[in-house]
Amino acid sequence: GESVGLHLPTLSVQEGDNSIINCAYSNSASDYFIWYKQESGKGPQFIIDIRSNMDKRQGQRVTVLLNKTVKHLSLQIAATQPGDSAVYFCAENLAGGTSYGKLTFGQGTILTVHP
Amino acid sequence: DADVTQTPRNRITKTGKRIMLECSQTKGHDRMYWYRQDPGLGLRLIYYSFDVKDINKGEISDGYSVSRQAQAKFSLSLESAIPNQTALYFCATSDGDPLSNKQYFGPGTRLTVT
Repeated sequence: GESVGLHLPTLSVQEGDNSIINCAYSNSASDYFIWYKQESGKGPQFIIDIRSNMDKRQGQRVTVLLNKTVKHLSLQIAATQPGDSAVYFCAENLAGGTSYGKLTFGQGTILTVHP
Repeated sequence: DADVTQTPRNRITKTGKRIMLECSQTKGHDRMYWYRQDPGLGLRLIYYSFDVKDINKGEISDGYSVSRQAQAKFSLSLESAIPNQTALYFCATSDGDPLSNKQYFGPGTRLTVT
């Protein structure tokens, strides 16, 4: 039979509002982090990345914040648009050991933008 | 990402059948990956390959096999499909930068096993 998965966190916002999506990562030794966007029926798309020697990085309408003390990553989307509606998930990279060459992905957050 | 293509995009098969999912890339990357995505469970790594001669099992390799025919091609096979292999399957590539491991994904294959 079909397996029952966990329910993903959801965030609903109005068009034009700012969105903040959070991610708790698992390994304090992780040295690189990525945010991906996955629209319905498509593969994950790279949004923005940040290295562990940084606290903040800005892109076009997006900002990623990294708090290594509490192992927390956030993605801020400014002036959210309906086209931003998607599942967003973070990934962490550990450049060494048994995790070498592999990303560890979070489960994702569903963002819904209402016009 | 059009640089990473997957075929077929959708497939319905019956229990016990052998099927192959194919992935091709024009990015010139050495590293390729196969993931499975189930609702609410995120992406789980099935197999990965750092070059044509290097293939490694991921966290959920049981019931799957792979073939790296060339740098640009990485195929995933289900030897005897079962219903709980119904899922979305994604191929990804990486340029092998050890400090990032940024991965680029294909559009996915939706597989249904009846």
